[in-house]
Amino acid sequence: KNQVEQSPQSLIILEGKNCTLQCNYTVSPFSNLRWYKQDTGRGPVSLTIMTFSENTKSNGRYTATLDADTKQSSLHITASQLSDSASYICVVSARGAGSYQLTFGKGTKLSVIP
Amino acid sequence: EAGVVQSPRYKIIEKKQPVAFWCNPISGHNTLYWYLQNLGQGPELLIRYENEEAVDDSQLPKDRFSAERLKGVDSTLKIQPAELGDSAVYLCASSLDTGYPYEQYFGPGTRLTVT
Repeated sequence: KNQVEQSPQSLIILEGKNCTLQCNYTVSPFSNLRWYKQDTGRGPVSLTIMTFSENTKSNGRYTATLDADTKQSSLHITASQLSDSASYICVVSARGAGSYQLTFGKGTKLSVIP
Repeated sequence: EAGVVQSPRYKIIEKKQPVAFWCNPISGHNTLYWYLQNLGQGPELLIRYENEEAVDDSQLPKDRFSAERLKGVDSTLKIQPAELGDSAVYLCASSLDTGYPYEQYFGPGTRLTVT
């Protein structure tokens, strides 16, 4: 069964500090890995998408890494801001016959405090 | 460009009552998804449409849930009758499946509370 595990479940950091969120997956056959940011009361918004051949991708202060061999990904947030407070969801896409399937993690809830 | 539009944003109903949610995807997006998201959990796919065709509805509880996308544009998800356990956020997403990796764009969701 395809699974995506995220850690930590929740995290509190001071404004201006860096943090790293983790994602481990058992999804096969792997197609791509996505990180989404979901603000409270809103739908998820894509931050990065990485295919098998990519091992790092940045979007402003967000940098995602992918190790397809160990099936791990991380999302690093640099110089956190109050607006970074949100849930961050790791999503892995599996290839299928003429289609694909997304497996969502439960998310890491990040709180940035002043 | 307008994003995915959903309505209503919030709905409170009593159990055993029917309820319907509406979604208008981004213009030109041929694929539409309905997800269910419980508090503190990631979204779970209910149904995926490619144009008018439901290509994956394996996770849709068909005894009480139904969906339609008649003209391949907007879509309606219905629950009849609603149960207490249906309280959740219902997310709609759309994508344009002409270019890998098929980025999905989500709407704001409809928060359903069944009392």
